Amino acid sequence: SQQGEEDPQALSIQEGENATMNCSYKTSINNLQWYRQNSGRGLVHLILIRSNEREKHSGRLRVTLDTSKKSSSLLITASRAADTASYFCATSSGYSTLTFGKGTMLLVSP
Amino acid sequence: DAGITQSPRHKVTETGTPVTLRCHQTENHRYMYWYRQDPGHGLRLIHYSYGVKDTDKGEVSDGYSVSRSKTEDFLLTLESATSSQTSVYFCAISDGQGEETQYFGPGTRLLVL
Repeated sequence: SQQGEEDPQALSIQEGENATMNCSYKTSINNLQWYRQNSGRGLVHLILIRSNEREKHSGRLRVTLDTSKKSSSLLITASRAADTASYFCATSSGYSTLTFGKGTMLLVSP
Repeated sequence: DAGITQSPRHKVTETGTPVTLRCHQTENHRYMYWYRQDPGHGLRLIHYSYGVKDTDKGEVSDGYSVSRSKTEDFLLTLESATSSQTSVYFCAISDGQGEETQYFGPGTRLLVL
């Protein structure tokens, strides 16, 4: 069963706009990660946030984590057409494995 | 793809035949994983390995077996393929505790007729 659930399932925006995706999970975690998948390719790691962190930045990416609400958000600022992809959150709970959500499909139109 | 290759990249097979997928890494990472990705289900863990000859089951292990005789190779075997095993299979590797960043291979598209 999925630990993380992304919302929305699909998101369509224009270039230059910001994109926000959310992830909710059910049990306590050690860390939460976000991955990107371009069509037909393997997943690529974007960012990892630990359970004792509340916010993390990497370039145009901003991730927040609220452990009291068991949720995380990924913000992509100033989106580009090249950001078009599926985005997955993944949680770790101390068993050497990650549990992935079903993903958010982001379409950025020029 | 962080020194990870998967073979074959595409395979068509018939129900009831055995199939073996190979994952090869050049990173000397301890942990290796096999996932399947299906529409509506996201990525689900099949089996993983935490060292040579050390493996464990994931969420959807029924109908699959794995072997790891060398650090660099992790094999996934479908003993008798079924149409429900039609999927895209991804291998991933990780160092550290396995909960850290995972690096994914390019995937294998398997069609079971």
